[in-house]
Amino acid sequence: DQQVKQNSPSLSVQEGRISILNCDYTNSMFDYFLWYKKYPAEGPTFLISISSIKDKNEDGRFTVFLNKSAKHLSLHIVPSQPGDSAVYFCAAIRSGTYKYIFGTGTRLKVLA
Amino acid sequence: NAGVMQNPRHLVRRRGQEARLRCSPVKGHSHVYWYRQLPEEGLKFMVYLQKENIIDESGMPKERFSAEFPKEGPSILRIQQVVRGDSAAYFCASSPGTGSSPLHFGNGTRLTVT
Repeated sequence: DQQVKQNSPSLSVQEGRISILNCDYTNSMFDYFLWYKKYPAEGPTFLISISSIKDKNEDGRFTVFLNKSAKHLSLHIVPSQPGDSAVYFCAAIRSGTYKYIFGTGTRLKVLA
Repeated sequence: NAGVMQNPRHLVRRRGQEARLRCSPVKGHSHVYWYRQLPEEGLKFMVYLQKENIIDESGMPKERFSAEFPKEGPSILRIQQVVRGDSAAYFCASSPGTGSSPLHFGNGTRLTVT
């Protein structure tokens, strides 16, 4: 039962353009969502999060959008840079619990 | 830097041997998670521990796998009688509590079973 889905295994974007990574979830009890970035041979690094009381959170070039009715979130990276090339995981959790559920990841390649 | 420390980074074991993976959480964090990543797959939850207690081991195979987080010292993930299918990257993460705070991950231990 995959409660958090990232349906695009890979994405290629030109440097300077926008990268949009998508994530869908099925459990309406989730109220906190996170994005992680992972380089090869390293652990996932926390990027940005959003609580369900918001529909947008911005941090520099990274913005996460949450659409609760569609149970969908997206990560926008503008402008994309070659150093952004990595695997991106979304994760979801219900506050007060401990079980973070991760998607299967999207491999982003930013072309110079 | 007081991040999550995992060792060893790489571990090679023959089939039937034991593998011991260690994790020191961020200083002050009392919640530890272990995740496994198989090639081309996502992060699969294995076990969640608080100091001296296993809270949820539902993601861990009941046979051959065990985990502990003692009062003193690192968390240990132990795999007995390893098989080729255990080859994977094992990541440890820690957090200060439950709910709305990010997990902090270590760089993982890559286990190869020959």
